[in-house]
Amino acid sequence: DGGITQSPKYLFRKEGQNVTLSCEQNLNHDAMYWYRQDPGQGLRLIYYSQIVNDFQKGDIAEGYSVSREKKESFPLTVTSAQKNPTAFYLCASSGGTGSSQPQHFGDGTRLSIL
Amino acid sequence: AQSVTQLDSQVPVFEEAPVELRCNYSSSVSVYLFWYVQYPNQGLQLLLKYLSGSTLVKGINGFEAEFNKSQTSFHLRKPSVHISDTAEYFCAVSDLRGGSNYKLTFGKGTLLTVNP
Repeated sequence: DGGITQSPKYLFRKEGQNVTLSCEQNLNHDAMYWYRQDPGQGLRLIYYSQIVNDFQKGDIAEGYSVSREKKESFPLTVTSAQKNPTAFYLCASSGGTGSSQPQHFGDGTRLSIL
Repeated sequence: AQSVTQLDSQVPVFEEAPVELRCNYSSSVSVYLFWYVQYPNQGLQLLLKYLSGSTLVKGINGFEAEFNKSQTSFHLRKPSVHISDTAEYFCAVSDLRGGSNYKLTFGKGTLLTVNP
């Protein structure tokens, strides 16, 4: 079945450490996204990529970095500059062009601070 | 800029009762509208979408929503809920402006709790 795989499901970060969250999709979608979800805050966009080797900052990009070297992969690094990284992180993708395409989501990674 | 307001953060109902989850949006241009559902510790799943045409949209699991352009609303309804409908529901909007393609703006969510 086609879908989006996020790993790991749970991740713990030590102070001063960078951690990388994995997101892989086999839907052949061009666009991919990273969201952060905090209780009562909805989803906030961190980064998005419309095509390989290109990505744009979302609303809360500070302290995060991404790469898009392959169409199917869009890893997110939470750097030590992100002072409040504890959250649920969701990866999504959408196909085709234009804003009418719905986004498909992975099952998320829950990041906590040790 | 577009924005989405979900008017209720929590909605408790009894099983087999009807439910309406309210969503209002703000945008200076035409929009596409979506409702997603999130079960605990999972990602979001698309319930339904409004792109154009009939203002009454039917989705999965017996849900439907009505687009009201004059009131800038897209309320979600179900005539009879089940325990399994307990989840968080998100309204989202994207607009047709060039340069903002692919970006969705989400509301803060409504937690629907169905009690026996």
